[in-house]
Amino acid sequence: EDKVVQSPLSLVVHEGDTVTLNCSYEVTNFRSLLWYKQEKKAPTFLFMLTSSGIEKKSGRLSSILDKKELSSILNITATQTGDSAIYLCAVVNTGTASKLTFGTGTRLQVTL
Amino acid sequence: GAGVSQSPSNKVTEKGKDVELRCDPISGHTALYWYRQSLGQGLEFLIYFQGNSAPDKSGLPSDRFSAERTGGSVSTLTIQRTQQEDSAVYLCASSLRTPPGPYEQFFGPGTRLTVL
Repeated sequence: EDKVVQSPLSLVVHEGDTVTLNCSYEVTNFRSLLWYKQEKKAPTFLFMLTSSGIEKKSGRLSSILDKKELSSILNITATQTGDSAIYLCAVVNTGTASKLTFGTGTRLQVTL
Repeated sequence: GAGVSQSPSNKVTEKGKDVELRCDPISGHTALYWYRQSLGQGLEFLIYFQGNSAPDKSGLPSDRFSAERTGGSVSTLTIQRTQQEDSAVYLCASSLRTPPGPYEQFFGPGTRLTVL
């Protein structure tokens, strides 16, 4: 059974800090890893990673995959209060359904 | 439509009643997924549709849960004889590309179901 573990479970930082969120996985026949941001209900897509060592970047957010270590990190620099959310990591195997297996998420709170 | 839509946004029902949750995927998206998010839990896969067929129903927790999709578009998730443990946010997602991917899934706002 595919498994995703995220750490820390929750984090409180001050505005302007840099944070690193961790995701580790156990997947039979890994296909890709995805990061989502969930503020209220609908998770919004951030990144999809399929290849090791290639950083994906969007503004202050970046992410990288390490297939050898079966893990990924999500970095947020110069955090803002609007970054407060639950960050979800999910993996996809090569099965026909391509369903997402999610971790329980990291709850990030950015304070002034 | 512009995004995935779901209705109702909130549903409160009494134990033992049946409920229907609706998902309208992004136009043209052939793959549709239902997930459930219980309090303190991660998102849990329920069922996957490719067109109108459901090749993977492995996540449905019991035979009280069923889903259908018609016209390759709208999907309905039905829960019969609801129980309190069914209380959760039910999220629908759709994807343009067909498996095996890789691809990204776009989520709707969810339906918060509360069973009293």
